[in-house]
Amino acid sequence: NAGVTQTPKFQVLKTGQSMTLQCAQDMNHNSMYWYRQDPGMGLRLIYYSASEGTTDKGEVPNGYNVSRLNKREFSLRLESAAPSQTSVYFCASKRQVTTYEQYFGPGTRLTVT
Amino acid sequence: GENVEQHPSTLSVQEGDSAVIKCTYSDSASNYFPWYKQELGKRPQLIIDIRSNVGEKKDQRIAVTLNKTAKHFSLHITETQPEDSAVYFCAASNASGGSYIPTFGRGTSLIVHP
Repeated sequence: NAGVTQTPKFQVLKTGQSMTLQCAQDMNHNSMYWYRQDPGMGLRLIYYSASEGTTDKGEVPNGYNVSRLNKREFSLRLESAAPSQTSVYFCASKRQVTTYEQYFGPGTRLTVT
Repeated sequence: GENVEQHPSTLSVQEGDSAVIKCTYSDSASNYFPWYKQELGKRPQLIIDIRSNVGEKKDQRIAVTLNKTAKHFSLHITETQPEDSAVYFCAASNASGGSYIPTFGRGTSLIVHP
């Protein structure tokens, strides 16, 4: 099993450009999450999907959109990138209701100039 | 919503010493408290967790304690080794509802000097 995979690993954007970060998991997990990690700020939730077909905002959703394409895939879109969105982005997934361990992807390092 | 405070932000110890990282939370409904370890350039990985019906849990050199009354929990690492050097995150959540949304602390950078 590959676990949780993310593409791309690195990306540089100019202000105003758009892009989609891809995430996929092969563990048949129900819940998926997008976090951003900034120095000294911990992991902040952008959006999550409790199950296929549902998505909800997290703590810092402004400037982002998500799509839960199917049970495996959960993408994060930046419509008009801003320098404040420079960060490391992690996707995570979680199994069933009664287990709570989150499995994280390797991360995408995004720089917006 | 939940608020998690984590201290210290940086902890430097000598190999073989013990390390303690402390977290406090605000929501008395929180009942699940995981700890994640993130090595430099890597993804966070769960190392230990505790539920609110337990006061302490151990796994070899690591242990977590929980004080529900004071709303704080701590990670204890004994006999530290250089490979323990990493950023450690605590989190708190109410895991009895339909959606699982943990709130993370800001992280502690642990440096173990050989």
